[in-house]
Parts: sequence; C-alpha cells; structure tokens
Amino acid sequence: GDSVTQMEGPVTLSEEAFLTINCTYTATGYPSLFWYVQYPGEGLQLLLKATKADDKGSNKGFEATYRKETTSFHLEKGSVQVSDSAVYFCALKSGGYQKVTFGTGTKLQVIP
Amino acid sequence: EADIYQTPRYLVIGTGKKITLECSQTMGHDKMYWYQQDPGMELHLIHYSYGVNSTEKGDLSSESTVSRIRTEHFPLTLESARPSHTSQYLCATSRQLHETQYFGPGTRLLVL
Repeated sequence: GDSVTQMEGPVTLSEEAFLTINCTYTATGYPSLFWYVQYPGEGLQLLLKATKADDKGSNKGFEATYRKETTSFHLEKGSVQVSDSAVYFCALKSGGYQKVTFGTGTKLQVIP
Repeated sequence: EADIYQTPRYLVIGTGKKITLECSQTMGHDKMYWYQQDPGMELHLIHYSYGVNSTEKGDLSSESTVSRIRTEHFPLTLESARPSHTSQYLCATSRQLHETQYFGPGTRLLVL
C-alpha cells in the first residue's frame, strides 16, 4: 500500500537558516504529492503540491520538487522565520479513489 | 467568505457522555472528511462522505458515527465517550474525492 516517510522532529533552527525536511514515499502509479502545514491551534492548510514528475511546487518561499527516480518530495526554504514554526506534513494521493496518505508530521521550531 | 467551522473548539466531558462535534462549511464542496489527530500528530481518517446521504468509514476503526443530511453539515457523534477518545478531531472538505483538502480549526476533546 501507499506510505509516506518523513524525517522525525522536532527540527530546531535559528532564524534565517536553511530548511530541509525530507519526505520519501511508496505508491503505485504516479501519485500527486502535497505538503500541508499546521500552525499551533489550527487545522492543516495546503502549502504546496506537485502532480507529476519533475514538477516543482512553491509557496511562501517554500519549494519541493517531485523526484520520481528517488521517490522523494523534500521541502526546502532558503531562510526561515519565526513565523514558520509549525508542524509540516508530507502527503500523497494515488490515482482513482485512493485516499490521501499523510506522513507523521515534522515539527519545526525557529528561534530568534 | 468560504470557510470551514468546527464547534466546539474545546470540550472537556466525563466518561459515558454522548457528544456531537459539529462541522459546517461554506466552501461549496460535496466531499467531507473527519480525521482524528493523536498527540503524536499523526492523522487518521475515520469517516468521509461523497455527498448528501453518503457516509463511509475510513482507515481507523472508530466508535463514532456521522451523518450527512445537508451538504453543509457533517456532524460526528460519540454515543458514550471514553478516555481513549481524547484527541483532536479535524474536519475537512474537498472539491474532488480525496484531492486537495481544506481543514477546519479542529476540536480538542478531553474525556475524563
């Protein structure tokens, strides 16, 4: 079945540091890939997505590239801010009526 | 403004009580979902709906029930709450089944 593996947290970075959160997946066919973010006390919201190989999703300075050869969708940001502190979820959806599979979440804490 | 509302946001109740968690949306989406998010942040799909009068069980066995009498509402009911039900419950919607999902703010439930 489908699965998503993302790096365990918490990840603690200083403001303006470079961020990478690793995400790898196992799926049948050609899934769509997502990154969701959950700020404290809120529900999840879509951060970015990519629907086919080599696509790059980007939003709010975050980027992730769909790498089929390595089955990865790593999240990156060049310079994090305190306001980026949140939990980040990698997710995938295979074709047809397959459900969305979420990773276990990675907590990011950015300190001033 | 299109949005997803969940009430109550926080609830503390005693064992054995019956509770209903409300979810309403003005997104205009047919598809709705309930997720249980455990303290470790992992998300588990417990119920979903294709549209009015349709409900399906998700991946995680749950003692809760749902109904979908109106497009806008998707309430979740626990007939007899137990401490093991302590969790955060997230409601979500999507335009297409299991595609990009939009989440409400969540209900934090504590059963004593």
